[in-house]
Amino acid sequence: GQSLEQPSEVTAVEGAIVQINCTYQTSGFYGLSWYQQHDGGAPTFLSYNALDGLEETGRFSSFLSRSDSYGYLLLQELQMKDSASYFCAVHSGGYQKVTFGIGTKLQVIP
Amino acid sequence: GAVVSQHPSRVICKSGTSVKIECRSLDFQATTMFWYRQFPKQSLMLMATSNEGSKATYEQGVEKDKFLINHASLTLSTLTVTSAHPEDSSFYICSAPDRASSYNEQFFGPGTRLTVL
Repeated sequence: GQSLEQPSEVTAVEGAIVQINCTYQTSGFYGLSWYQQHDGGAPTFLSYNALDGLEETGRFSSFLSRSDSYGYLLLQELQMKDSASYFCAVHSGGYQKVTFGIGTKLQVIP
Repeated sequence: GAVVSQHPSRVICKSGTSVKIECRSLDFQATTMFWYRQFPKQSLMLMATSNEGSKATYEQGVEKDKFLINHASLTLSTLTVTSAHPEDSSFYICSAPDRASSYNEQFFGPGTRLTVL
């Protein structure tokens, strides 16, 4: 089966940088995704890493180390609208099904 | 990006009734769709993988006779919650991978909030 670990809650100040870590255990690993979900809404895709290294998309960056089964999401220049839950998710198996972590609730404060 | 729709967005029903939820890929074909359930303040739990033209694959602990999945076309999958009970009240979300996406991105529907009285 698959298991993922990420912090349940993080608080950060507007304008700051925050890193959300994720460790995973899975077989048939394809890649690691990050999703954002605001309360009451559906998840939206942020990033996907299949290879080791850092992927940068605007204010958001994501990192993967396959050998360490570890990844993180880095959010820079935090804005109040970034307050949401962030899920790491592993892609695995023949159909590339996605298994989500518990989610990290990020609260951005002024 | 690709668009996935769900219908209805919200449904309230009496205990014992059956509820059908539709998931459609609007601008791409989806041979595979996924159904998730999310309880308040919890993660998305994969229920089943819906495969066009074949039987769905259910995750461990999910009753296939209670949650009927039909993937009749390349753009439509349906989830029917049979004999719904209050404990089935949850947020049901479908997703579909767009194979044309270079990021293996899952496109999620807006979700269906089911309340069973």
